Amino acid sequence: AQSVTQLGSHVSVSEGALVLLRCNYSSSVPPYLFWYVQYPNQGLQLLLKYTTGATLVKGINGFEAEFKKSETSFHLTKPSAHMSDAAEYFCAVSEGTSGTYKYIFGTGTRLKVLA
Amino acid sequence: EPEVTQTPSHQVTQMGQEVILRCVPISNHLYFYWYRQILGQKVEFLVSFYNNEISEKSEIFDDQFSVERPDGSNFTLKIRSTKLEDSAMYFCASRPGDTTNEKLFFGSGTQLSVL
Repeated sequence: AQSVTQLGSHVSVSEGALVLLRCNYSSSVPPYLFWYVQYPNQGLQLLLKYTTGATLVKGINGFEAEFKKSETSFHLTKPSAHMSDAAEYFCAVSEGTSGTYKYIFGTGTRLKVLA
Repeated sequence: EPEVTQTPSHQVTQMGQEVILRCVPISNHLYFYWYRQILGQKVEFLVSFYNNEISEKSEIFDDQFSVERPDGSNFTLKIRSTKLEDSAMYFCASRPGDTTNEKLFFGSGTQLSVL
């Protein structure tokens, strides 16, 4: 079965600094990978996804992630953090086919942005 | 963008009571899901539902849990006799069709507190 590991349950960065949130996956087949963000008192919102093709994926709000098969990683980055980026971020891998398709989530990383 | 709607946003119940969590998936979607997130832990898959039946369920989804799509628009999760450890945020999700790389659309969740 697929699994996802997110290193660092809490990450703090200064406003304007680089954001790097780590995600490693294990999968026996080429994975579909996702990053979701959860703002306080809100649901999960898709930031970006990797399915096939270009390994550098751009998402909303200036975030991007790079799929590295050799490292089984899909780290999320943003060049310059903004206060509004403070949220919880979840990496997920899809598993199954048609009727049994589902996501497997990591434990999440809470991002704090310091003024 | 269309949304998945969940009600109520917060539910408090006594141990042993039955609760029903309600969801209205996006109207043309075919696959429906329930996930839960215990405070500080990862988002966990509970159950998937397609063509009016459960397509997959996790070990968490025991006989105390059931799902229903009673009227073609609502999708409900029932917990027959709640336990303290059922306290969590419950997310409903849906997706359109049969392509495995399609994103899941999540609702904003129902925070269930069992006292």
